[in-house]
Parts: sequence; C-alpha cells; structure tokens
Amino acid sequence: AQKITQTQPGMFVQEKEAVTLDCTYDTSDPSYGLFWYKQPSSGEMIFLIYQGSYDQQNATEGRYSLNFQKARKSANLVISASQLGDSAMYFCAMREITGNQFYFGTGTSLTVIP
Amino acid sequence: DADVTQTPRNRITKTGKRIMLECSQTKGHDRMYWYRQDPGLGLQLIYYSFDVKDINKGEISDGYSVSRQAQAKFSLSLESAIPNQTALYFCATSDFLAFFGQGTRLTVV
Repeated sequence: AQKITQTQPGMFVQEKEAVTLDCTYDTSDPSYGLFWYKQPSSGEMIFLIYQGSYDQQNATEGRYSLNFQKARKSANLVISASQLGDSAMYFCAMREITGNQFYFGTGTSLTVIP
Repeated sequence: DADVTQTPRNRITKTGKRIMLECSQTKGHDRMYWYRQDPGLGLQLIYYSFDVKDINKGEISDGYSVSRQAQAKFSLSLESAIPNQTALYFCATSDFLAFFGQGTRLTVV
C-alpha cells in the first residue's frame, strides 16, 4: 500500500485565491511526522511546513497551513493568497519515528493564474 | 554555501559507462539518503546510510551502489548506466527534517 497518496496531479488557482492540496497517508505507527516540500522549476526541494502526529493544533507557516485530520489520515496543505511564485510541484512526505526513511507522494503541480 | 552539495549538477553519459554522483554536507547529520525522481513517480529511495559503517538498500537499489566515505560524504555510483536511469537524483541528509541538495540531472544516451 502507498504510504503517501496525492490524488491531484495538477491544480490551478487564481492569483490571490486560496488553494488546498490533498494528501492522505497510511501508517500504523502512533508517532510520525508529516512534511510538505515545494519544488520550483529550478528543481530544488524547499521545506515548507511540518506537522507532528501528537500536535494538537494545525501547523502554520506564513501563508502555508496544514489541515491535519488524524482520524481521516489526511494532511492537506492550504496556501492562502496565492502568488505567481507559488507555481511549482508540491510533495507531501511522512516519516515514522521508528522508521528509517521518508516516504513521498507523487506530487501535485500547482499553477497560479494571473 | 549550500548545506548539502551535489556534484555534478548536470551530466550526460553514454549507455554502459560508469558514473559517480557525489554529495557532501555541512549539517553534521549522520543520516544521508539518495533519491531518484521521475515525472509522476515522486521521489524513490535508492540507498540510505546512518553512519559510515551502515549502508542500507532502498526500494530501487538495483543498478546502483553507494559509498559513505565520511560522515559528510555519500556517493552514488551507476556501475553500467542505462537509459532508464535518466532522472533527477537527490541527495538528502536529516536529523528530523530532510535537507536536500540541489539535485543532479542525469541523462543516459
């Protein structure tokens, strides 16, 4: 079974609007971390936001927030007030605390329309 | 200077050639990883290492080998490159969060 599932290969959003990128995960480990990375066309992987499985509140970092629904095993990324520079690939990832590796989804390509 | 540096950034090589991708880090992390990225497939783990004496295969290790020369250095080799190894390769280090190098675009012709 896939550890991380991103079901939206591509998304479009109007500039200044909010957009939600979906991510669901699969683990039986009670302790894990969820991450979102941004990959612009230049190729580098940029860390955006982190959510721990025991965190009571949803993580926020500037215009990024993580909508964490533990019972549904979802960790959606919300980008508010989209900017043209937000156009990129976005990857959701998970690391189980007892595990040895990071698991990545297949990514969502976001295009911000002027 | 980048915390995780990959060399080369771009490489074109011929089928059958041996090629080495190098990675060095200044983060002081013990954990290092090599990932491969193909369009639509996300990042797939090739090898990972938790210290100089600890090397582990990932999900797609066939056709690849690695060497952990020091805590700061982790190299990936393609013993005999083939065209379907054309991809973007990432080195990463972690304590808890993963830090990535800039990537190496490898083309095998």
